[in-house]
Amino acid sequence: QKEVEQDPGPLSVPEGAIVSLNCTYSNSAFQYFMWYRQYSRKGPELLMYTYSSGNKEDGRFTAQVDKSSKYISLFIRDSQPSDSATYLCAMSGNSGGYQKVTFGTGTKLQVIP
Amino acid sequence: DAGITQSPRHKVTETGTPVTLRCHQTENHRYMYWYRQDPGHGLRLIHYSYGVKDTDKGEVSDGYSVSRSKTEDFLLTLESATSSQTSVYFCAISESFGQQETQYFGPGTRLLVL
Repeated sequence: QKEVEQDPGPLSVPEGAIVSLNCTYSNSAFQYFMWYRQYSRKGPELLMYTYSSGNKEDGRFTAQVDKSSKYISLFIRDSQPSDSATYLCAMSGNSGGYQKVTFGTGTKLQVIP
Repeated sequence: DAGITQSPRHKVTETGTPVTLRCHQTENHRYMYWYRQDPGHGLRLIHYSYGVKDTDKGEVSDGYSVSRSKTEDFLLTLESATSSQTSVYFCAISESFGQQETQYFGPGTRLLVL
């Protein structure tokens, strides 16, 4: 079983829809939770990060962490065609004496005009 | 791409040949990383560096070596390329190892090993 599970999609939604992207994890040591956006043939770019449980909002994006359920989400409101990309969740925590980052495999999102 | 360049951007090589990929940063960040990205596996850490001449292994380091002789440059070498090393390679930098939220990625190098 992978430490971080993420549905690969693809997820196709109409413009203006609310998008929900999710990851589950198994390692209780994870403390930081991040979401990256990756456009085709580009490097990942950090969208949001949170520490511990709760919600964090940045414009149309909301990141949510539920440590009790080991479940994190990214919500995108009023989705735009420019949001079409692959979204990677990532988590970090102490593992074997050093900070380890584990990435999900990514969910491909397509927003249709 | 936050002052990170990778070279070459694309490379085709033959099995058994050595290959060196270069990552160059202009941010003066202490930490540098090499990842590979493959379908179904996501990003996996190959090696990382926490300073000049200070490097350590990641989770998929077999068949790879790294060197960092200057703060701004981090080299990844495939000692004898194999087809299983066909992948997209990303370099990343961060200000501090414990704060992964500040990790920035380069544009990637697409490597095909025939």
